Amino acid sequence: SQTIHQWPATLVQPVGSPLSLECTVEGTSNPNLYWYRQAAGRGLQLLFYSVGIGQISSEVPQNLSASRPQDRQFILSSKKLLLSDSGFYLCAWNIGGEQYFGPGTRLTVT
Amino acid sequence: GIQVEQSPPDLILQEGANSTLRCNFSDSVNNLQWFHQNPWGQLINLFYIPSGTKQNGRLSATTVATERYSLLYISSSQTTDSGVYFCAVGSTSGTYKYIFGTGTRLKVLA
Repeated sequence: SQTIHQWPATLVQPVGSPLSLECTVEGTSNPNLYWYRQAAGRGLQLLFYSVGIGQISSEVPQNLSASRPQDRQFILSSKKLLLSDSGFYLCAWNIGGEQYFGPGTRLTVT
Repeated sequence: GIQVEQSPPDLILQEGANSTLRCNFSDSVNNLQWFHQNPWGQLINLFYIPSGTKQNGRLSATTVATERYSLLYISSSQTTDSGVYFCAVGSTSGTYKYIFGTGTRLKVLA
């Protein structure tokens, strides 16, 4: 069966520091991969999606970037965090329509 | 882009009561999912239902794609049903990008 991992589970970072969040998927090949952000008490906002290695599409202009160095690895990065980057970051995968989410990373920028 | 509206935004039920959650969307879609976000933030897949009716235990869902809405029914509610219920819609362009509604926050009282 397919499994999606995210780490770390929680993270507290100062403003201006770099960020790297990792997501890996097991049990499937060539999935579509997604990064979402959820602000406190709000819905999910799609940040990036990828249909293959090295192929990244950005949905919202922001302080973040994404990369897909391997088929089942998706990384979310920032060079300098802003206070507004705080939130709950969720990775998801999709094959054939149905989407599945990882456990998420709760990021607090102080 | 597609707009997704969910109603009601908040709902409080006594344990054992039934409820209906609604999702309206502004354009034709080919993918639709219902999720439950538990208090720990995990998004749990309830239904993948681009059209028709499905049932899973006390939960059932109906999507009328031609009229651009979907309904989630919860019968004999339990305290463990508490959380936020999201509807998400997407296209079949190959990217399977999902747009999320703002959610219905449900609290079931013992």
